Amino acid sequence: DVKVTQSSRYLVKRTGEKVFLECVQDMDHENMFWYRQDPGLGLRLIYFSYDVKMKEKGDIPEGYSVSREKKERFSLILESASTNQTSMYLCASSLWPGDSTNEKLFFGSGTQLSVL
Amino acid sequence: GEDVEQSLFLSVREGDSSVINCTYTDSSSTYLYWYKQEPGAGLQLLTYIFSNMDMKQDQRLTVLLNKKDKHLSLRIADTQTGDSAIYFCAESRGSQGNLIFGKGTKLSVKP
Repeated sequence: DVKVTQSSRYLVKRTGEKVFLECVQDMDHENMFWYRQDPGLGLRLIYFSYDVKMKEKGDIPEGYSVSREKKERFSLILESASTNQTSMYLCASSLWPGDSTNEKLFFGSGTQLSVL
Repeated sequence: GEDVEQSLFLSVREGDSSVINCTYTDSSSTYLYWYKQEPGAGLQLLTYIFSNMDMKQDQRLTVLLNKKDKHLSLRIADTQTGDSAIYFCAESRGSQGNLIFGKGTKLSVKP
Protein backbone atom coordinates (compact mmCIF):
# COMPACT_ATOMS: atom_id res chain seq x y z
CA ASP A 1 0.00 0.00 0.00
CA VAL A 2 1.11 3.51 -0.73
CA LYS A 3 1.94 5.44 2.37
CA VAL A 4 2.01 9.20 2.51
CA THR A 5 3.20 10.42 5.88
CA GLN A 6 2.87 13.94 7.21
CA SER A 7 5.22 14.63 10.07
CA SER A 8 2.76 16.35 12.40
CA ARG A 9 -0.93 15.81 13.04
CA TYR A 10 -1.37 19.10 14.92
CA LEU A 11 0.79 22.21 15.02
CA VAL A 12 0.36 25.47 16.89
CA LYS A 13 2.52 28.40 15.81
CA ARG A 14 2.66 32.11 16.43
CA THR A 15 2.17 34.86 13.87
CA GLY A 16 5.43 35.63 12.08
CA GLU A 17 7.06 32.25 12.74
CA LYS A 18 8.58 30.26 9.92
CA VAL A 19 6.75 26.95 9.63
CA PHE A 20 7.83 23.75 7.90
CA LEU A 21 5.34 21.03 7.03
CA GLU A 22 6.95 17.80 5.92
CA CYS A 23 5.57 15.04 3.74
CA VAL A 24 7.16 11.74 2.76
CA GLN A 25 5.87 9.07 0.36
CA ASP A 26 7.27 5.58 0.05
CA MET A 27 6.12 4.50 -3.42
CA ASP A 28 8.56 6.31 -5.68
CA HIS A 29 5.82 8.60 -6.97
CA GLU A 30 6.76 11.33 -9.40
CA ASN A 31 4.17 13.91 -8.41
CA MET A 32 3.58 15.43 -5.00
CA PHE A 33 1.02 18.03 -4.01
CA TRP A 34 0.13 20.34 -1.14
CA TYR A 35 -3.50 21.31 -0.59
CA ARG A 36 -5.22 23.24 2.13
CA GLN A 37 -8.72 22.35 3.21
CA ASP A 38 -11.07 24.90 4.74
CA PRO A 39 -14.75 24.51 5.67
CA GLY A 40 -17.00 25.55 2.79
CA LEU A 41 -14.05 25.97 0.43
CA GLY A 42 -13.04 22.35 -0.14
CA LEU A 43 -9.50 21.57 -1.25
CA ARG A 44 -7.35 24.22 -2.84
CA LEU A 45 -4.03 23.43 -4.47
CA ILE A 46 -1.10 25.42 -3.12
CA TYR A 47 1.89 23.96 -4.96
CA PHE A 48 2.83 20.77 -6.69
CA SER A 49 6.01 19.14 -7.91
CA TYR A 50 6.45 16.67 -10.75
CA ASP A 51 10.12 15.97 -10.22
CA VAL A 52 12.97 16.62 -7.84
CA LYS A 53 13.78 20.33 -7.61
CA MET A 54 10.77 21.13 -9.83
CA LYS A 55 7.78 23.04 -8.56
CA GLU A 56 4.67 24.62 -9.98
CA LYS A 57 2.28 27.09 -8.39
CA GLY A 58 -1.22 25.92 -7.75
CA ASP A 59 -4.27 28.10 -7.21
CA ILE A 60 -3.23 29.80 -3.95
CA PRO A 61 0.59 29.92 -3.69
CA GLU A 62 0.82 33.34 -1.99
CA GLY A 63 2.50 33.18 1.38
CA TYR A 64 3.90 29.69 0.76
CA SER A 65 6.99 28.13 -0.75
CA VAL A 66 8.00 24.50 -1.27
CA SER A 67 11.10 22.38 -1.46
CA ARG A 68 11.68 19.03 -3.16
CA GLU A 69 15.31 18.02 -2.73
CA LYS A 70 14.57 14.29 -2.74
CA LYS A 71 11.94 12.40 -4.68
CA GLU A 72 10.22 11.04 -1.59
CA ARG A 73 10.00 14.29 0.36
CA PHE A 74 8.01 17.45 -0.32
CA SER A 75 8.09 20.30 2.18
CA LEU A 76 5.69 23.21 2.49
CA ILE A 77 7.12 26.36 4.02
CA LEU A 78 5.25 29.28 5.50
CA GLU A 79 7.88 32.00 5.54
CA SER A 80 6.00 34.20 8.04
CA ALA A 81 2.88 32.52 9.34
CA SER A 82 -0.32 34.53 9.52
CA THR A 83 -3.65 33.80 11.17
CA ASN A 84 -5.35 33.33 7.80
CA GLN A 85 -3.07 30.36 7.21
CA THR A 86 -4.79 28.45 10.00
CA SER A 87 -6.07 25.42 8.12
CA MET A 88 -5.87 21.69 7.49
CA TYR A 89 -2.94 20.96 5.16
CA LEU A 90 -3.05 17.81 3.06
CA CYS A 91 -0.15 16.30 1.17
CA ALA A 92 -0.73 13.91 -1.74
CA SER A 93 1.30 11.97 -4.28
CA SER A 94 0.64 10.27 -7.61
CA LEU A 95 2.54 8.23 -10.14
CA TRP A 96 2.10 10.55 -13.15
CA PRO A 97 3.16 10.34 -15.97
CA GLY A 98 1.81 7.15 -17.37
CA ASP A 99 -1.71 6.13 -18.23
CA SER A 100 -4.49 8.27 -16.93
CA THR A 101 -5.24 6.11 -13.94
CA ASN A 102 -1.96 7.36 -12.55
CA GLU A 103 -3.74 10.61 -11.77
CA LYS A 104 -5.04 8.82 -8.69
CA LEU A 105 -3.93 10.76 -5.65
CA PHE A 106 -2.89 9.18 -2.39
CA PHE A 107 -3.29 11.47 0.58
CA GLY A 108 -1.62 11.82 3.94
CA SER A 109 -3.73 12.17 7.09
CA GLY A 110 -3.32 15.93 7.19
CA THR A 111 -1.73 18.51 9.48
CA GLN A 112 -4.07 20.84 11.35
CA LEU A 113 -2.13 24.09 11.69
CA SER A 114 -3.27 26.80 14.07
CA VAL A 115 -1.57 30.19 13.85
CA LEU A 116 -2.17 32.35 16.91
CA GLY B 1 -17.95 28.42 -14.46
CA GLU B 2 -14.66 26.76 -13.62
CA ASP B 3 -15.74 25.03 -10.43
CA VAL B 4 -16.66 21.45 -9.75
CA GLU B 5 -19.96 21.77 -7.93
CA GLN B 6 -21.56 19.60 -5.29
CA SER B 7 -24.23 20.16 -2.70
CA LEU B 8 -22.68 20.55 0.73
CA PHE B 9 -24.90 18.30 2.85
CA LEU B 10 -26.93 15.12 2.55
CA SER B 11 -28.75 13.31 5.33
CA VAL B 12 -30.19 9.81 4.97
CA ARG B 13 -31.48 7.02 7.22
CA GLU B 14 -29.50 3.84 7.70
CA GLY B 15 -30.48 1.27 5.07
CA ASP B 16 -31.64 3.88 2.53
CA SER B 17 -29.78 4.70 -0.66
CA SER B 18 -27.68 7.88 -0.83
CA VAL B 19 -27.14 9.77 -4.06
CA ILE B 20 -24.44 12.41 -4.18
CA ASN B 21 -24.40 14.60 -7.27
CA CYS B 22 -21.64 16.56 -8.94
CA THR B 23 -21.29 18.75 -12.01
CA TYR B 24 -17.88 19.20 -13.55
CA THR B 25 -16.48 21.56 -16.13
CA ASP B 26 -13.89 20.00 -18.41
CA SER B 27 -15.38 17.77 -21.08
CA SER B 28 -11.88 16.52 -21.93
CA SER B 29 -11.33 14.99 -18.48
CA THR B 30 -10.36 11.38 -19.06
CA TYR B 31 -11.26 10.09 -15.63
CA LEU B 32 -13.58 11.35 -12.93
CA TYR B 33 -13.09 10.43 -9.32
CA TRP B 34 -14.89 10.06 -6.03
CA TYR B 35 -12.89 10.46 -2.83
CA LYS B 36 -14.04 9.82 0.72
CA GLN B 37 -12.79 11.66 3.79
CA GLU B 38 -13.62 10.24 7.19
CA PRO B 39 -13.43 12.51 10.25
CA GLY B 40 -9.86 13.43 11.13
CA ALA B 41 -8.35 11.66 8.13
CA GLY B 42 -7.02 12.42 4.68
CA LEU B 43 -8.88 11.62 1.47
CA GLN B 44 -9.10 8.08 0.14
CA LEU B 45 -9.92 7.17 -3.42
CA LEU B 46 -13.31 5.49 -3.41
CA THR B 47 -13.90 4.83 -7.08
CA TYR B 48 -13.38 6.35 -10.50
CA ILE B 49 -14.94 6.15 -13.94
CA PHE B 50 -13.45 6.41 -17.39
CA SER B 51 -15.12 9.14 -19.41
CA ASN B 52 -16.33 6.82 -22.17
CA MET B 53 -18.40 4.84 -19.68
CA ASP B 54 -21.94 5.63 -18.54
CA MET B 55 -21.95 3.55 -15.42
CA LYS B 56 -19.64 1.69 -13.11
CA GLN B 57 -20.72 -0.57 -10.28
CA ASP B 58 -18.54 -1.68 -7.42
CA GLN B 59 -20.38 -3.58 -4.67
CA ARG B 60 -22.64 -1.00 -2.95
CA LEU B 61 -21.34 1.86 -5.08
CA THR B 62 -22.75 2.89 -8.44
CA VAL B 63 -21.26 5.75 -10.43
CA LEU B 64 -23.33 7.31 -13.20
CA LEU B 65 -21.83 9.65 -15.77
CA ASN B 66 -23.81 11.90 -18.10
CA LYS B 67 -21.12 13.37 -20.29
CA LYS B 68 -23.50 15.56 -22.26
CA ASP B 69 -24.64 17.36 -19.11
CA LYS B 70 -21.23 16.97 -17.36
CA HIS B 71 -23.02 15.35 -14.44
CA LEU B 72 -21.56 12.69 -12.20
CA SER B 73 -23.35 10.90 -9.39
CA LEU B 74 -22.40 8.42 -6.69
CA ARG B 75 -25.07 6.10 -5.34
CA ILE B 76 -24.45 4.20 -2.13
CA ALA B 77 -26.90 1.34 -1.61
CA ASP B 78 -27.93 0.24 1.88
CA THR B 79 -26.15 3.19 3.49
CA GLN B 80 -24.52 2.40 6.83
CA THR B 81 -23.43 4.67 9.68
CA GLY B 82 -19.84 3.92 8.66
CA ASP B 83 -20.53 5.68 5.37
CA SER B 84 -20.82 8.99 7.22
CA ALA B 85 -18.03 11.11 5.73
CA ILE B 86 -17.34 13.91 3.29
CA TYR B 87 -17.41 12.84 -0.35
CA PHE B 88 -15.47 14.76 -2.97
CA CYS B 89 -15.80 14.47 -6.70
CA ALA B 90 -12.79 15.43 -8.79
CA GLU B 91 -11.87 15.89 -12.42
CA SER B 92 -8.46 15.95 -13.99
CA ARG B 93 -6.87 19.14 -15.16
CA GLY B 94 -3.97 19.68 -17.49
CA SER B 95 -1.22 17.26 -18.32
CA GLN B 96 0.49 16.78 -15.00
CA GLY B 97 -2.01 14.82 -13.02
CA ASN B 98 -3.66 17.67 -11.15
CA LEU B 99 -7.17 17.10 -9.98
CA ILE B 100 -9.81 19.75 -9.38
CA PHE B 101 -11.98 18.92 -6.41
CA GLY B 102 -15.50 19.93 -5.55
CA LYS B 103 -16.12 21.41 -2.11
CA GLY B 104 -17.32 18.07 -0.77
CA THR B 105 -20.70 16.70 0.31
CA LYS B 106 -21.04 15.83 3.97
CA LEU B 107 -23.11 12.67 4.26
CA SER B 108 -24.81 12.08 7.61
CA VAL B 109 -26.39 8.70 8.21
CA LYS B 110 -29.02 8.53 10.94
CA PRO B 111 -29.71 5.22 12.69
